Amino acid sequence: SQTIHQWPATLVQPVGSPLSLECTVEGTSNPNLYWYRQAAGRGLQLLFYSVGIGQISSEVPQNLSASRPQDRQFILSSKKLLLSDSGFYLCAWSRGQSTEAFFGQGTRLTVV
Amino acid sequence: DAKTTQPPSMDCAEGRAANLPCNHSTISGNEYVYWYRQIHSQGPQYIIHGLKNNETNEMASLIITEDRKSSTLILPHATLRDTAVYYCIVRVWRNNDMRFGAGTRLTVKP
Repeated sequence: SQTIHQWPATLVQPVGSPLSLECTVEGTSNPNLYWYRQAAGRGLQLLFYSVGIGQISSEVPQNLSASRPQDRQFILSSKKLLLSDSGFYLCAWSRGQSTEAFFGQGTRLTVV
Repeated sequence: DAKTTQPPSMDCAEGRAANLPCNHSTISGNEYVYWYRQIHSQGPQYIIHGLKNNETNEMASLIITEDRKSSTLILPHATLRDTAVYYCIVRVWRNNDMRFGAGTRLTVKP
């Protein structure tokens, strides 16, 4: 069966510090991978998606970047965090264009 | 891109059917309708999806109108654990992404 791992579950970082959130998928190959952010009390905002190694599409201009160094690994990064980067970050995967997506349990990031 | 419109909140009595509506009047012919739900502080959970025909699984039923401009998610016997935010999504085929709206906050009351 397929599983998605996302860590850490919670993170408190000072303003200006770097960020690296990792997401890995097991039990499938060549998945579509997604990063979403959810501000408190808000809906999910799509940040990045990837259809293959090294292929990243960015949805909104921001302080964050994403990379896909391996087929089932998706990394969300920042060189210098802003207060506005606080939120609930979710990784997800799907098999293709018309199938359901499966989400990780999320990382709650607080920038102080 | 097709967009969806959902009521911001709904209440339902425990044991009764919960009917959650969604409008997607600009949906294209090859776009699917998906439903997810998010329980507080967890990742969204897939519920069901469909293209034209009504669908049913162990969690819910999805009714899509003949013109495909709207759909309804039905939870046949709502329980307190069904309290969550429910998202109706239309799959944007050309970019491989999946965009979420604000969803409907369903509260199941005893």
